[in-house]
Formats: sequence, C-alpha cells, structure tokens
Amino acid sequence: EVQLLESGGGLVQPGGSLRLSCAASGFTFSSYAMSWVRQAPGKGLEWVSAISGSGGSTYYADSVKGRFTISRDNSKNTLYLQMNSLRAEDTAVYYCAKDQAEVQGVIMEYDYWGQGTLVTVSS
Amino acid sequence: EIVLTQSPGTLSLSPGERATLSCRASQSVSSSYLAWYQQKPGQAPRLLIYGASSRATGIPDRFSGSGSGTDFTLTISRLEPEDFAVYYCQQYGPTFGQGTKVEIK
Repeated sequence: EVQLLESGGGLVQPGGSLRLSCAASGFTFSSYAMSWVRQAPGKGLEWVSAISGSGGSTYYADSVKGRFTISRDNSKNTLYLQMNSLRAEDTAVYYCAKDQAEVQGVIMEYDYWGQGTLVTVSS
Repeated sequence: EIVLTQSPGTLSLSPGERATLSCRASQSVSSSYLAWYQQKPGQAPRLLIYGASSRATGIPDRFSGSGSGTDFTLTISRLEPEDFAVYYCQQYGPTFGQGTKVEIK
C-alpha cells in the first residue's frame, strides 16, 4: 500500500525557514517523480515544486523560485522541501504527491497524495 | 502559462442527477496532459481521470472525462451521496483550475 506522510509544518514568523519532509512507502521511491502542491485556507490547489526520480531535475513555481528548494534522499525514501524567506502568502497546507507514471522525467499527474502538513506564516 | 477556467463555480444537484463540469484552457492542451481530481473537506485530492478520458484505478464508471484542445468535461452520470465534493482540473504544466463545488440541492 502506497503511503505518503508529511511532517515539519508549523507556525513560523515572516522571513523564517522551515523544512518539510515526506516519508514514502509501498513503492519503489527512486522510480517516481514527486511534487509538492499547496492549498491556502479555503482556496484551490497550487503546484509548488517537482523533482525527478533520480533527483537530477527540479522545477519550481515562479512564486517560490529562489526561496524554496526541493530535494530527495532515495536511500531514506524521503522527499524534502526547504522553505526560506517565508511570507504570509506561503500559509497553506502542503501536500506531497507522487507521479503516476514510472518515467525518467516528471509528468505531474498525481495518483497518490499525503494527508498534508499545515504551514502558517505569521508574526 | 496556461490558465484553466472551470465552470460553473458551484453546481447544485440532487443524488441521482447527472453532473457536467467544464474546464476551459487559455490555450490548447494536449489531451494526454489533462487530469481531474476530487477533493472532500479535510482530505487530500484524489485522482479521478487522467489523459483527459482514462479513469484512474478504482474510480467508478459513473465518472467520465472527455474533450480536447481547450475544452474538457467531467461527467458524473448519476450522483451518489459520496460524490458531493470539489472537483479540480489540471494540466501537466502544471496548473490547476479554481475548482467546481458540487453540492446537494
């Protein structure tokens, strides 16, 4: 059974940093691209970042480019999102999501999602 | 960036009725790269349809997707109580539509 379990969310002041983790199980982690997708309270879904299975290719939304860094440790079956220079508009539930297709690149078609972790940026 | 516009914003229907949800793209989208998700309150999204018309694993056949180019449709043939939720379309850019809420009339 595929499971994705996010952690690391919490309350942080504007300008602060936070690192999210997503522990994966039930599939060959290194064979699949992974993404972070967020959802502000009461709002829709917004893609944040994606990484290929090998970790060699990464992609970012313009809204987080230069502030967030996606990475993965395939030996630990874990996905990360390092978030720096956080702003109030980064407040959201952050989901990790698994690509459906086992390909070298990144498709961004998500067949499994974690339960999400809430990040609140406020003073 | 491709913008996806979903309509209507809210659809008020009764169980057993047919639901037709629209997703319009600001420019042509490859049919291979259009998906639909369902999200219930407090839950993560669930993949329903990928490649515009292929049902994801375990999705009932009352859900169907169609369309090409800039116009795509999700149809729920007969609404079950568990189908009342918010539905999002997504192109693999990726961008998401703003969502359509299907509520009980």
